[in-house]
Amino acid sequence: AQKVTQAQTEISVVEKEDVTLDCVYETRDTTYYLFWYKQPPSGELVFLIRRNSFDEQNEISGRYSWNFQKSTSSFNFTITASQVVDSAVYFCALSLLNSGYSTLTFGKGTMLLVSP
Amino acid sequence: NAGVTQTPKFRVLKTGQSMTLLCAQDMNHEYMYWYRQDPGMGLRLIHYSVGEGTTAKGEVPDGYNVSRLKKQNFLLGLESAAPSQTSVYFCASSYSDVAKNIQYFGAGTRLSVL
Repeated sequence: AQKVTQAQTEISVVEKEDVTLDCVYETRDTTYYLFWYKQPPSGELVFLIRRNSFDEQNEISGRYSWNFQKSTSSFNFTITASQVVDSAVYFCALSLLNSGYSTLTFGKGTMLLVSP
Repeated sequence: NAGVTQTPKFRVLKTGQSMTLLCAQDMNHEYMYWYRQDPGMGLRLIHYSVGEGTTAKGEVPDGYNVSRLKKQNFLLGLESAAPSQTSVYFCASSYSDVAKNIQYFGAGTRLSVL
């Protein structure tokens, strides 16, 4: 069975600080995809990034960066110079083939509070 | 820019009442999903559909039924609501590519069962 663990329930930082959100996953499959979603206070889930299991290159998008390490089964998310607008709940998710169809397994989420 | 639309946004039910949540997507996606989100639990899959006329159970299907009569719509039904079904419900849709599909979410329906 697959599992996603986000050990940090809540993180509080002050604006301009860097912050890393941890994600550890478990699966026996060799082919899988990892995702990060953002849920701002308005409630909708917004897709941030997708990474497949064969691509261990780190990715940077503006202030956001992702570090994928297969050796430790981790897919961590770093926000550089955090801003108040980054305040949200962030979910890490894992996608596997299940009876021929993919389904997403979500972690429990990390709430990030960025104060001015 | 509609994407995935859920109706209603809020609902309060009494125990034993029934209701249907509607999800509509305008992206011509094959796959559609219903999740529930509870505090400290993340999102859990209730049911999903891989195409018109087909549905399958997810992680927490008990107490819910679904139908996909039209490709663009996915309905979630509660036949006899229970307080344990108080939750925020999210619908999502995706293209037909397996495993790598990006799911696009609606804004959610907040349901309270008294």
